[in-house]
Amino acid sequence: EPEVTQTPSHQVTQMGQEVILRCVPISNHLYFYWYRQILGQKVEFLVSFYNNEISEKSEIFDDQFSVERPDGSNFTLKIRSTKLEDSAMYFCASSLVYGYTFGSGTRLTVV
Amino acid sequence: AQTVTQSQPEMSVQEAETVTLSCTYDTSESDYYLFWYKQPPSRQMILVIRQEAYKQQNATENRFSVNFQKAAKSFSLKISDSQLGDAAMYFCAYSGSARQLTFGSGTQLTVLP
Repeated sequence: EPEVTQTPSHQVTQMGQEVILRCVPISNHLYFYWYRQILGQKVEFLVSFYNNEISEKSEIFDDQFSVERPDGSNFTLKIRSTKLEDSAMYFCASSLVYGYTFGSGTRLTVV
Repeated sequence: AQTVTQSQPEMSVQEAETVTLSCTYDTSESDYYLFWYKQPPSRQMILVIRQEAYKQQNATENRFSVNFQKAAKSFSLKISDSQLGDAAMYFCAYSGSARQLTFGSGTQLTVLP
């Protein structure tokens, strides 16, 4: 069964540093998403991406965040100047229409 | 904006018994999808079941079934013949015209041997 692949599985970074989280969505999917889950809390939508541009973004997705699809397969989330409160599990998901497939997540720890 | 409410932060069930997890949602849309996701300790998000709002028939997947009440905006998950491997956090989620998922706060299910 096709999978969404996320790398790295765990990243530790110093406060103030930039991180890039990477995702390879399912190849024929059209919509790509990033979600965040702070430990013990619910999963929150960050941003959706369609046709090479952002289609929706939440209040969380401020100027600190950016997304890119640098080639035909990768989908990245960049977090600039990380803060302690950015520590969370970050999930990538993709869908053709309404059938969402999630990656296994990247656990980001900001120290 | 759509909201999803799971009023049971924790539930427990005896192995082989049946348990029902509750979910309500609020929306002004008529066409949407509802989902239940399972999140084990590995924190992977695993789709359990999906329901299209235009379908009156309740979705079923093996031991998992839903009770979808559109007028009441209720979407409960029934797990029959509970197994130890069913122990996890369960999230109810909504997707409408904006496509992205809106999640509830989750229900932690414990299965007792």
